[in-house]
Amino acid sequence: GAGVSQSPSNKVTEKGKDVELRCDPISGHTALYWYRQSLGQGLEFLIYFQGNSAPDKSGLPSDRFSAERTGGSVSTLTIQRTQQEDSAVYLCASSLAVRTSGIRNEQFFGPGTRLTVL
Amino acid sequence: GENVEQHPSTLSVQEGDSAVIKCTYSDSASNYFPWYKQELGKRPQLIIDIRSNVGEKKDQRIAVTLNKTAKHFSLHITETQPEDSAVYFCAARGNTNAGKSTFGDGTTLTVKP
Repeated sequence: GAGVSQSPSNKVTEKGKDVELRCDPISGHTALYWYRQSLGQGLEFLIYFQGNSAPDKSGLPSDRFSAERTGGSVSTLTIQRTQQEDSAVYLCASSLAVRTSGIRNEQFFGPGTRLTVL
Repeated sequence: GENVEQHPSTLSVQEGDSAVIKCTYSDSASNYFPWYKQELGKRPQLIIDIRSNVGEKKDQRIAVTLNKTAKHFSLHITETQPEDSAVYFCAARGNTNAGKSTFGDGTTLTVKP
């Protein structure tokens, strides 16, 4: 079946502009994560959605970053007034329900959106 | 919340040697520990995982061990090959915070032919 998809694959924007990044998780996956990965660096956690629970926004680096997940499926990450340091690959991942013993909670990653802020 | 530390950050081995990457976690209630491999320019993908009721799991040249008492788990790769060169991430899924998974910072493994 279809995996996690993200759009756009590449985004070049000017400093100060707003951008929206989209993630389509695997159908039936209730958990959704956003990560940021700079070149040669690790996975920086941004935000976590799980079912109807309040999202864990503890990783968002500033109030310019926000995300929402409509209908428990598609998620949009919005960056307002982009800065050059926002340039990175933004990865989305989804997984099955959590806290269920015996269930593999493997995260399936999308291909990422490469954001370049000029 | 959960805190995962991963060591070493870089590892270079000769082809055919073994490689070991170690992670520690802080939340004693964590119960699922996956390992992901990320090749250059690609997305992370699961290579092996272990649950808290098991001490060791093996899949061909890859094995993972878990010590719940000490709260650490390790990835072992035997007979390394150049195609094993990648960044490896460990993660721990807790039972709090709606089961959020936390990643380590990654280990860049280079296997020299």
